[in-house]
Amino acid sequence: AQKVTQAQTEISVVEKEDVTLDCVYETRDTTYYLFWYKQPPSGELVFLIRRNSFDEQNEISGRYSWNFQKSTSSFNFTITASQVVDSAVYFCALSEGGAGNNRKLIWGLGTSLAVNP
Amino acid sequence: GAGVSQSPSNKVTEKGKDVELRCDPISGHTALYWYRQSLGQGLEFLIYFQGNSAPDKSGLPSDRFSAERTGGSVSTLTIQRTQQEDSAVYLCASSYGGGLNTEAFFGQGTRLTVV
Repeated sequence: AQKVTQAQTEISVVEKEDVTLDCVYETRDTTYYLFWYKQPPSGELVFLIRRNSFDEQNEISGRYSWNFQKSTSSFNFTITASQVVDSAVYFCALSEGGAGNNRKLIWGLGTSLAVNP
Repeated sequence: GAGVSQSPSNKVTEKGKDVELRCDPISGHTALYWYRQSLGQGLEFLIYFQGNSAPDKSGLPSDRFSAERTGGSVSTLTIQRTQQEDSAVYLCASSYGGGLNTEAFFGQGTRLTVV
């Protein structure tokens, strides 16, 4: 079965601290995609990154970085020098392949990040 | 439009009534998805459209739930005889194509409260 686990339900940090959000996944597919989405208080899910199963290179985008390790089935997300605007719920998700054009995401339960001034 | 638009943003209904939730996807996006987000439950897939057809309806929780899409654009999710457990945020997303590597753009959701 495919599953995404975000063990951290809530994290609270002080502004400028670095914070890592964990994501562990399970899948039997050899081809899959992993995603991170941000859900600010407004409610709209905002796409952050997509990573395919054949690309284990870590990625950095500004203060955001992602560490993909197939050996541990993890796709962790780090925010460097956190800011109050980073406060949101962050979701990790796994794509589930299917016949034809079927596609749906398997979601973790999310990590609520509070960055305090 | 510029983004995925959902209406209404909030809906309070009495138990047993029918409700319709609307989604306007991004223009040109052929794939459309409905998800439900319940408190503490994460996101739950409901249905996926490719054009006007729904190749995957596996997430619809009961036959009280139905959805349609017309003109390859607007979609309506209908819940008949609403129950209190239907209370949740209903999120719509669209993407260009439905392949494995496409990213989805989400609307702000409709918060449904059944009283």
